[in-house]
Amino acid sequence: QQQVRQSPQSLTVWEGETAILNCSYENSAFDYFPWYQQFPGEGPALLISILSVSDKKEDGRFTIFFNKREKKLSLHIADSQPGDSATYFCAADNMGYKLTFGTGTSLLVDP
Amino acid sequence: EAAVTQSPRNKVAVTGGKVTLSCNQTNNHNNMYWYRQDTGHGLRLIHYSYGAGSTEKGDIPDGYKASRPSQENFSLILELATPSQTSVYFCASVAGGRGQLYFGEGSKLTVL
Repeated sequence: QQQVRQSPQSLTVWEGETAILNCSYENSAFDYFPWYQQFPGEGPALLISILSVSDKKEDGRFTIFFNKREKKLSLHIADSQPGDSATYFCAADNMGYKLTFGTGTSLLVDP
Repeated sequence: EAAVTQSPRNKVAVTGGKVTLSCNQTNNHNNMYWYRQDTGHGLRLIHYSYGAGSTEKGDIPDGYKASRPSQENFSLILELATPSQTSVYFCASVAGGRGQLYFGEGSKLTVL
C-alpha cells in the first residue's frame, strides 16, 4: 500500500521551463511534507518542506503548492537548469519520527 | 555539515550468508534510520532508533535486524541474506522532530 504517490515517474523539460512534480497522499494525519533531491550515486538531501497549515512555500526557484482538502501537493521548479536533473522524492510525516517516502520522479532538464 | 558514513559501500554476498551494514554519524543526532531504495518503490523504512540501545521496526523489517550500541553507530544485520535483499541501503540521522534527515552515500548490496 503506497501511502505517498508521485507522478510522473519521469519528466523531461527544456532548460528555462517550469518543471511540475506531483504528489498525493492518503493519510489525513500527515502534516509535514518535505521534498528530497537525489543525484546519482549520492544520498537524498532536503530541498524544501511545508507544513499543512500553509498552502504555499517558496525557496528561490522552488515552490511547493499544497491542497489539504484534496491531499495533493506539487513542487514547481522555475527556470529549470541542467543541474536540477535529479530524482525528487516527496515525503510525509505525522510526528511519528519516521518519514514515508513516495516512489520518486526522475527529472531531466535538456539544455 | 552533518556527516553520515556507511560501510561497506559495495558488498557482494552469497545466499544464506550473514551481512552487516554499518553506519556512523558524528552529528550527535538521537534518531537514526535504515532505508532501502529500489526502482519503483522509492525509499522504504526498515528499522530506526531513538538512541543508544533502542531499535524499532519500520515498514519492512522482515529479514532484517538492527543494533544501536552507541549514539554514533547503527548497524543493519541480514542473518540469512536472500537475493530479494539485493538493493541500495541508506542510513540517515536527524536530531529529532521535524529536522532535516542527513543521509549517507548508500551501500549497494548484491546477494547472489
